Amino acid sequence: DAGVIQSPRHEVTEMGQEVTLRCKPISGHNSLFWYRQTMMRGLELLIYFNNNVPIDDSGMPEDRFSAKMPNASFSTLKIQPSEPRDSAVYFCASSPGTGQPQHFGDGTRLSIL
Amino acid sequence: GESVGLHLPTLSVQEGDNSIINCAYSNSASDYFIWYKQESGKGPQFIIDIRSNMDKRQGQRVTVLLNKTVKHLSLQIAATQPGDSAVYFCAEKRDNYGQNFVFGPGTRLSVLP
Repeated sequence: DAGVIQSPRHEVTEMGQEVTLRCKPISGHNSLFWYRQTMMRGLELLIYFNNNVPIDDSGMPEDRFSAKMPNASFSTLKIQPSEPRDSAVYFCASSPGTGQPQHFGDGTRLSIL
Repeated sequence: GESVGLHLPTLSVQEGDNSIINCAYSNSASDYFIWYKQESGKGPQFIIDIRSNMDKRQGQRVTVLLNKTVKHLSLQIAATQPGDSAVYFCAEKRDNYGQNFVFGPGTRLSVLP
């Protein structure tokens, strides 16, 4: 079975540009999570969705970050405009439901120059 | 200037020995715990979980122990192998924080030949 699929795997762009990260969760999973991982702060939850509805976005750093889940098989995390401090590895994870183990993608390594 | 980041605790063990990785949690209301393994360049992978109505659970070569009295969780790996080298995270489910899971800072396990 395919796991969580994230694209792109790597992204290098200049500050001020718009960045869009994509995620395809595991089919049948009802919950989707976006995380950011840095050396400074470790693994941080940014936002999560249940049944395509955002439940908690309190981890989203600021208004430059937005996430959508238009359907059960696709989600995006957008940063506009991007800044060097946004450089990190961004993970998407999905689970069958809240409170169940999350399955992670292999992440997008984002570098903002 | 010099960057400051998370200083991951590191555990070094000889191949074939048993490993014990510890995790302290802070919320006595947490009722579900998971251990994840993260290899370089990959997302965290589920290893084993335990609910708060248990104090021990065993998997293949791994055992998780839960001590609710002192809010401590441990992961034991039997006969540690080179492929076990990774960063290990504990995660606790804290519904009352409005987030699904909160991850610890991680422990790096290095297996020596």
